Amino acid sequence: DTAVSQTPKYLVTQMGNDKSIKCEQNLGHDTMYWYKQDSKKFLKIMFSYNNKELIINETVPNRFSPKSPDKAHLNLHINSLELGDSAVYFCASSPSGQGESFGSGTRLTVV
Amino acid sequence: GQNIDQPTEMTATEGAIVQINCTYQTSGFNGLFWYQQHAGEAPTFLSYNVLDGLEEKGRFSSFLSRSKGYSYLLLKELQMKDSASYLCAPTDSWGKLQFGAGTQVVVTP
Repeated sequence: DTAVSQTPKYLVTQMGNDKSIKCEQNLGHDTMYWYKQDSKKFLKIMFSYNNKELIINETVPNRFSPKSPDKAHLNLHINSLELGDSAVYFCASSPSGQGESFGSGTRLTVV
Repeated sequence: GQNIDQPTEMTATEGAIVQINCTYQTSGFNGLFWYQQHAGEAPTFLSYNVLDGLEEKGRFSSFLSRSKGYSYLLLKELQMKDSASYLCAPTDSWGKLQFGAGTQVVVTP
């Protein structure tokens, strides 16, 4: 029973394509996040949703669009993929104001 | 995390103790987390400090000094499986975590 699950685990795609990453949590947490971890291992927050409402939107290109159909799901859609989008994307969730539980990550490679 | 400073790498032998220091500058500080991340895996929660002082949890302890903007993670009785990256993550008043670049701990036999 994985607490935070994201799919796919690996994604290899060509520049210019549109792709989606899905995330679901069964912990009953109010808040969900998307993080990006680049090749230098910096883990940076991209978006945060609380009960389906967007609360954090860092400086991320608008090619990235999160969607939260309900508080257990937060999907990430990426349009017109670029080489620099290659990274590991982590979904996470937390009870409000507490530490995050992370999904296993999606390794995106844009070729 | 340009406002978070922690060593890049530390090496220690099995059974030893290692202390990972972290200094930070965060507006509206609201607590500090430590996470462990093995290569190719997700970060996992280790500790959370809100008040000054030492929090002990088995072989791992974490210390916080809010006035000094300083924390450390202490790993005792090191085991080979402790080889991983350790991420210092202070939170701001919105509860947003800022992650440092991480300290790679290498445990040798």
